[in-house]
Amino acid sequence: QSVVTQPPSASGTPGQRVTISCSGSSFNIGSYPVNWYQQIPGTAPKLLMSGNNQRPSGVPDRFSGSKSGTSASLAITDLQSEDEADYYCAAWDDSLNAMVFGGGTKLTVL
Amino acid sequence: QVQMVQSGAELKKPGASVKVSCKTSGYTFTNYHITWVRQAPGQGLEWLAWISPDNGNTNFAQKFQGRLTLTTDTSTNTAYMELRSLRSDDTAVYYCARFTGASDYGFDIWGQGTMVTVSS
Repeated sequence: QSVVTQPPSASGTPGQRVTISCSGSSFNIGSYPVNWYQQIPGTAPKLLMSGNNQRPSGVPDRFSGSKSGTSASLAITDLQSEDEADYYCAAWDDSLNAMVFGGGTKLTVL
Repeated sequence: QVQMVQSGAELKKPGASVKVSCKTSGYTFTNYHITWVRQAPGQGLEWLAWISPDNGNTNFAQKFQGRLTLTTDTSTNTAYMELRSLRSDDTAVYYCARFTGASDYGFDIWGQGTMVTVSS
């Protein structure tokens, strides 16, 4: 049971906008930057969003991140078939003295 | 370009140890911490620990303290993870990654992963 929670699944049709939420506490999201990772099954995770809302080089601007209090979210606009993947949020946790990942959200493009 | 290349798959018996390597290139090795993350089959990501190649300082997730050792070799720009007293629930893909630092707390470059299977 992760201390950072995500919905297990999300879905959308091509061209739609979808959001994935990430809920934590004052020990983690409330105090530290949130990062998002995209993982295509069978491959290594890829950093998708850094420091709450910074896109690493090469990440399309269809992806955006935000944080408010102890929650964060990842938004994907103009959904495309190649966006089908697992998405994980992560933040440092002071009480555990560890990096904590959300349980992951499987995004399906219908 | 920046790369992290890990050693190959391992099959170990319960109680044994495994050592995974992560060879880096394309950046100054001592400027970034190396972190280790694992993923059990069909499960999510789990953080294990990180190490500073600059001074050897480490930080471990509590559940791995005493069973996990991280080292680095600055002559070959390679990081190592050794996990001892293996159990079946240690079966997972183990990833190394580069830590961006305390400004962002991100892992920006990842190795390809090493499958470790623990089975009698």
